[in-house]
Amino acid sequence: GQQVMQIPQYQHVQEGEDFTTYCNSSTTLSNIQWYKQRPGGHPVFLIQLVKSGEVKKQKRLTFQFGEAKKNSSLHITATQTTDVGTYFCARPNAGNNRKLIWGLGTSLAVNP
Amino acid sequence: DGGITQSPKYLFRKEGQNVTLSCEQNLNHDAMYWYRQDPGQGLRLIYYSQIVNDFQKGDIAEGYSVSREKKESFPLTVTSAQKNPTAFYLCASSPTADGNTIYFGEGSWLTVV
Repeated sequence: GQQVMQIPQYQHVQEGEDFTTYCNSSTTLSNIQWYKQRPGGHPVFLIQLVKSGEVKKQKRLTFQFGEAKKNSSLHITATQTTDVGTYFCARPNAGNNRKLIWGLGTSLAVNP
Repeated sequence: DGGITQSPKYLFRKEGQNVTLSCEQNLNHDAMYWYRQDPGQGLRLIYYSQIVNDFQKGDIAEGYSVSREKKESFPLTVTSAQKNPTAFYLCASSPTADGNTIYFGEGSWLTVV
């Protein structure tokens, strides 16, 4: 269906290590969005990817959209304790673009 | 300051009581949404509104009600019919009704005892 699968569900890293979370769909996506939610906070929009093969960077964060527009990844280089939180991907509902379908998120813990 | 304001941030209620969560936005956004988030879980859509005086049920609307009488306001009532109301409630809005790029309020923690 239109679900998006996010893996891994949890990731524990040492500060300075890299981190990657993946978002996969069985159907082609018109776009994919990424959000970050800090512990106790609310989700904050990070980025939207629209084009096939698109790569965007935000400082240590690199976002990729697959060539087939069915998957996406978020890679963090040299994690810091400020990266702690849950990262969600979300896709527009193909039949009704008035709501997003959310992945279950990847929770990142960083040991200082 | 522009943004989405939710109140109260923390709320305790006795079982069987209705409670209304406030959500106000001054971003001039057409669309507004209510999500529920349980600890360690993802986001589940309760209700959404594309325009004033119109709203649609999301995936878990049972036990909830909303109104959209003004563009900037989208209050959520958690009724006594909601079996497990204790959760974190997030209000959100987007510029247009296409669901892209959602902006969230800070959330309301509801505990029913």
